[in-house]
Amino acid sequence: DAGITQSPRHKVTETGTPVTLRCHQTENHRYMYWYRQDPGHGLRLIHYSYGVKDTDKGEVSDGYSVSRSKTEDFLLTLESATSSQTSVYFCAISEPTGATQYFGPGTRLTVL
Amino acid sequence: AQSVAQPEDQVNVAEGNPLTVKCTYSVSGNPYLFWYVQYPNRGLQFLLKYITGDNLVKGSYGFEAEFNKSQTSFHLKKPSALVSDSALYFCAVRVLGGATNKLIFGTGTLLAVQP
Repeated sequence: DAGITQSPRHKVTETGTPVTLRCHQTENHRYMYWYRQDPGHGLRLIHYSYGVKDTDKGEVSDGYSVSRSKTEDFLLTLESATSSQTSVYFCAISEPTGATQYFGPGTRLTVL
Repeated sequence: AQSVAQPEDQVNVAEGNPLTVKCTYSVSGNPYLFWYVQYPNRGLQFLLKYITGDNLVKGSYGFEAEFNKSQTSFHLKKPSALVSDSALYFCAVRVLGGATNKLIFGTGTLLAVQP
């Protein structure tokens, strides 16, 4: 978890409200990723970024948006949270020359 | 389609016995393969990876993995299990194409080591 922080670590919200999760890194890695972890599904990629202002969709991007205005920060936004978005969200980082991704501690989100 | 399979949801082993956690993959081209471990309420920790070279890869905490191209497998092994090895283990494969190193993860295998 060193060098990667996520905030908040836990959040409970209501259906229909907007939610923003933050990932912050101190490693100066170019690539950043957002995953969700659900039982029986492992980790699934939501969105990723390959540089400041450069982002793309992953396999489960519906209902999510992202922004990256600085190298160190990658934000994930749920515009209108739904109960199906209750999950644990992980941020990861990597360098272009290596495929290894390093993960943050996670954010547990509950949508009531 | 590119994919990773972990056929066992849970593996039980007695402390001191050898352990194996299985992983098979389907990917275009030469695979980059990874193992991660997740302890309760923590993020994933990188254990080891195979990119090229020796088929037996050594990683953290005494773990190793064997790449078998003909069987498209990358099983995680340890000669002598510890109770502290009890955790959730994920296998992953790099997906070629696109702008970055995307990974596809298996569904995870829970390793339970009994004292």
